[in-house]
Amino acid sequence: DTEVTQTPKHLVMGMTNKKSLKCEQHMGHRAMYWYKQKAKKPPELMFVYSYEKLSINESVPSRFSPECPNSSLLNLHLHALQPEDSALYLCASSPRVSPNYGYTFGSGTRLTVV
Amino acid sequence: QKEVEQNSGPLSVPEGAIASLNCTYSDRVSQSFFWYRQYSGKSPELIMSIYSNGDKEDGRFTAQLNKASQYVSLLIRDSQPSDSATYLCAVITSGTYKYIFGTGTRLKVLA
Repeated sequence: DTEVTQTPKHLVMGMTNKKSLKCEQHMGHRAMYWYKQKAKKPPELMFVYSYEKLSINESVPSRFSPECPNSSLLNLHLHALQPEDSALYLCASSPRVSPNYGYTFGSGTRLTVV
Repeated sequence: QKEVEQNSGPLSVPEGAIASLNCTYSDRVSQSFFWYRQYSGKSPELIMSIYSNGDKEDGRFTAQLNKASQYVSLLIRDSQPSDSATYLCAVITSGTYKYIFGTGTRLKVLA
């Protein structure tokens, strides 16, 4: 299995809703990442997990809350989002946090906040 | 702010030609360099990685790195319409191991 699976593929939520994005990989990777990508822009790093521990938070607003329940799963909990948070949310993984590895990206969740 | 710069394009090349994509970076001690391909509405896909000066070939793709001049390039030989996509350059910064993505170059291969 060489894939990163993200669910749901599309999500529409109101500003008062609570929802979660899910990411799963079974490649034995111990580093997992959340990225946000707006249209015609490069991906922007949000969070890095290394061995299930949060190692980097790129000053992301608290309405985004990551969680890594085990080495295969990564969640992103969403609450009280704003319309400007609408974007493609990408999960990625790599064997380790290291300059020697490229990332495997999931297909993303396209989020629309109304 | 450490930066990675790419020409946004579009870069248009005829089918069968060589497409040349360029990327410059500002952090002189950057260690690792990656090229990703992203089709419209899809996620990035790793094409090549390069870590040392010189050329690295993989099929129709060749990555070139020149650390003294702080640029990395991607050559696509025998370009096909299916190569039409946005190509993202990514650089790993010293110390933090964080990717910094360039803004991407949109490539159009004309049949």
